[in-house]
Amino acid sequence: DGGITQSPKYLFRKEGQNVTLSCEQNLNHDAMYWYRQDPGQGLRLIYYSQIVNDFQKGDIAEGYSVSREKKESFPLTVTSAQKNPTAFYLCASRPWTSYNEQFFGPGTRLTVL
Amino acid sequence: GDSVTQMEGPVTLSEEAFLTINCTYTATGYPSLFWYVQYPGEGLQLLLKATKADDKGSNKGFEATYRKETTSFHLEKGSVQVSDSAVYFCALSDLRNTGNQFYFGTGTSLTVIP
Repeated sequence: DGGITQSPKYLFRKEGQNVTLSCEQNLNHDAMYWYRQDPGQGLRLIYYSQIVNDFQKGDIAEGYSVSREKKESFPLTVTSAQKNPTAFYLCASRPWTSYNEQFFGPGTRLTVL
Repeated sequence: GDSVTQMEGPVTLSEEAFLTINCTYTATGYPSLFWYVQYPGEGLQLLLKATKADDKGSNKGFEATYRKETTSFHLEKGSVQVSDSAVYFCALSDLRNTGNQFYFGTGTSLTVIP
């Protein structure tokens, strides 16, 4: 059963701690993305990666870091430098050479206490 | 640069009413256009798409036509149900000009009351 998994669904952390959000896909997609969504707001792009070992900053990359060591995995680290990290985080993937859509994971809700 | 402008919400309709959510876009090339739906606490799901001018995407009673002359991709449904209550996002992708980047509208919240 192909798809994108994000874990955990809910995550709580204390202020000042780094936290890593997991994103795994078994769709054999080349491109992967991280978005942030705040209540009542649209999606804002944090980082995206088009191939392994390469990634680009999106609109709000400050305070976040990513890695892409494997095609199927694109973890996002929310660092203590991120001023307001409480949000809903969405991971997505897409095949490279097509006009296909992005496929989204179920999201992780991060709450920093 | 590329962008999507979407009708602001929230929208509240009675069951069986007609729905239109407006979406217009700006793109330098020939983008593909998408409508996504998001239910509370979940990720986005593709609702429909169109990859070239005059294409009509349709799914679950929803339709949208890619109009190049008006740079629009309005979402319509003839008779909404309570289960259609969700947030709807219009999006574009212009693979040849901006690679794998997607551009999303701000979302329109729809509530359907019985």
